[in-house]
Amino acid sequence: SAVISQKPSRDICQRGTSLTIQCQVDSQVTMMFWYRQQPGQSLTLIATANQGSEATYESGFVIDKFPISRPNLTFSTLTVSNMSPEDSSIYLCSVFGQDRVTDTQYFGPGTRLTVL
Amino acid sequence: GQNIDQPTEMTATEGAIVQINCTYQTSGFNGLFWYQQHAGEAPTFLSYNVLDGLEEKGRFSSFLSRSKGYSYLLLKELQMKDSASYLCAVRDTNSGYALNFGKGTSLLVTP
Repeated sequence: SAVISQKPSRDICQRGTSLTIQCQVDSQVTMMFWYRQQPGQSLTLIATANQGSEATYESGFVIDKFPISRPNLTFSTLTVSNMSPEDSSIYLCSVFGQDRVTDTQYFGPGTRLTVL
Repeated sequence: GQNIDQPTEMTATEGAIVQINCTYQTSGFNGLFWYQQHAGEAPTFLSYNVLDGLEEKGRFSSFLSRSKGYSYLLLKELQMKDSASYLCAVRDTNSGYALNFGKGTSLLVTP
């Protein structure tokens, strides 16, 4: 398994500002994923972040709104830019275990964001 | 794209057995996962099926039929703490191995 930590655990932000969420993993992983879970909803994949390359964004998500960094194999950041109340969600970082093909996907504790 | 369907809500009695169904459509199937999520917490892994059949893990079992695009999660000897949302997720090689989630089934266990 993988142990994942996220900072901050929660935040309340003003409309128009930006927040950067950090994700730290206790082992080196190739692929990291960022998900969003809006209130009462399931998880939606925002993007896949691989070290050494640009993040791959899912339909409906763009780099200008959700820039991602992946400086090494244990760390990634997701920025929520120019926030609006619709961005209020839980943001989750996720990685595979040792083997991306046979292993499961583990989730960090999440960052609960409220935008006023 | 993928369609992943599961019931929105279910209610069951403590000590009973409940089956949560999930149907999916995908072009590059590479595994089906079940997660449990308590309110305000991150999802925790329950089970993984990539071949047809039943996988048993304590009180929880998961079944997969790839030809039917169908899975279920079986919870036995229900406990109050099993009240949670249960998420069905499919891994698709065409999506770079990321998981795509259904909307989740909210299970309420009553005394």
